[in-house]
Amino acid sequence: AQSVSQHNHHVILSEAASLELGCNYSYGGTVNLFWYVQYPGQHLQLLLKYFSGDPLVKGIKGFEAEFIKSKFSFNLRKPSVQWSDTAEYFCAVTPRTNAGKSTFGDGTTLTVKP
Amino acid sequence: DGGITQSPKYLFRKEGQNVTLSCEQNLNHDAMYWYRQDPGQGLRLIYYSQIVNDFQKGDIAEGYSVSREKKESFPLTVTSAQKNPTAFYLCASRDWRGSGANVLTFGAGSRLTVL
Repeated sequence: AQSVSQHNHHVILSEAASLELGCNYSYGGTVNLFWYVQYPGQHLQLLLKYFSGDPLVKGIKGFEAEFIKSKFSFNLRKPSVQWSDTAEYFCAVTPRTNAGKSTFGDGTTLTVKP
Repeated sequence: DGGITQSPKYLFRKEGQNVTLSCEQNLNHDAMYWYRQDPGQGLRLIYYSQIVNDFQKGDIAEGYSVSREKKESFPLTVTSAQKNPTAFYLCASRDWRGSGANVLTFGAGSRLTVL
């Protein structure tokens, strides 16, 4: 079975600071990787995804993530955060062999101070 | 607009009562899922269904039951056997086809409180 570990439970930043949220997964086979975001009062929604190809993927609102296969990592980055980025962020993994079961990390709550 | 509708948004239940949470989607997605979200624990999979009339247990299925009689509907029953049912429940669906393949679409959630 796969597992996902997010390194930070709560991150507090000032506007314009850079962001990096760590995500590591454990699984012996090939996976699809995702970051989902839950803004206050809104549905959980896709931020970005990696299926194959270029390991650096770009998502909405200036976010990007890099897949490092050797480290089983898929860290989320943003060069300059805004107050509107305050949200909860979830890393998720779906094995290619069993696309039915996505496993989520515990989530990271990001608070951006104006 | 296509999406997932969960109801009720808030629900209060007395101990010992069963309660059913509704999940309806008009996205024509084949697969549907139920997750439970607790603070600091992320999302944990309760049940999922990849096709009508078929479903599988997820990681925390004990005390829950589901049915999938129609493609668009995947109701979840929280039974009295669930020892700690107070939680936020999320329904999701997935399209296997096209560029959206493998991406989950989520409903707004149902918050269940057991009194």
